[in-house]
Amino acid sequence: DTGVSQDPRHKITKRGQNVTFRCDPISEHNRLYWYRQTLGQGPEFLTYFQNEAQLEKSRLLSDRFSAERPKGSFSTLEIQRTEQGDSAMYLCASSLASWETQYFGPGTRLLVL
Amino acid sequence: AQTVTQSQPEMSVQEAETVTLSCTYDTSESDYYLFWYKQPPSRQMILVIRQEAYKQQNATENRFSVNFQKAAKSFSLKISDSQLGDAAMYFCAYRSPQGGSEKLVFGKGTKLTVNP
Repeated sequence: DTGVSQDPRHKITKRGQNVTFRCDPISEHNRLYWYRQTLGQGPEFLTYFQNEAQLEKSRLLSDRFSAERPKGSFSTLEIQRTEQGDSAMYLCASSLASWETQYFGPGTRLLVL
Repeated sequence: AQTVTQSQPEMSVQEAETVTLSCTYDTSESDYYLFWYKQPPSRQMILVIRQEAYKQQNATENRFSVNFQKAAKSFSLKISDSQLGDAAMYFCAYRSPQGGSEKLVFGKGTKLTVNP
């Protein structure tokens, strides 16, 4: 059983560009979560999906952020018109059920120049 | 809103010794889950231990155990016989099933150094 995978692992972009990250959850996990972690802080929740339905979004998820999980398997997180403040580690996690443990991927580190 | 506080930004321990990491949380809920996650320098978060609030017995996982004090809203992690591989950031996290939210609320973390 492979773990949660994320792609790319690192992304450097210029301010104003759009970026897209991908997360592949553990197979059969119907729940998928996105978190953001800035330096020296714990992860902060962004959004989560149950199958293809996006059920919760944080206020941190501004209009420039959009997440999808079209077939209930992998998910993408897109950031439009990136800003320097978007520089962070973006973590994905998945779980089998609401009461089950969330398993995290290795993260995508974004640097906006 | 629920908050999680880890008051020790850094801790150090000698190899084979015992160390305790502190965590307090603020909630008005009676039913919730608490977690300790480990994030080694490679940055992948790994679950160390979890505790259901309705269980009075403290959770243990091999060398890792917790001291869960519900009334005091305290959830400390004890690492016994510390090993070099225990060096990492440790995050305390809270989740309440109330209201359908499934988000984890994390503390700011404690950096643990293990000295040989």
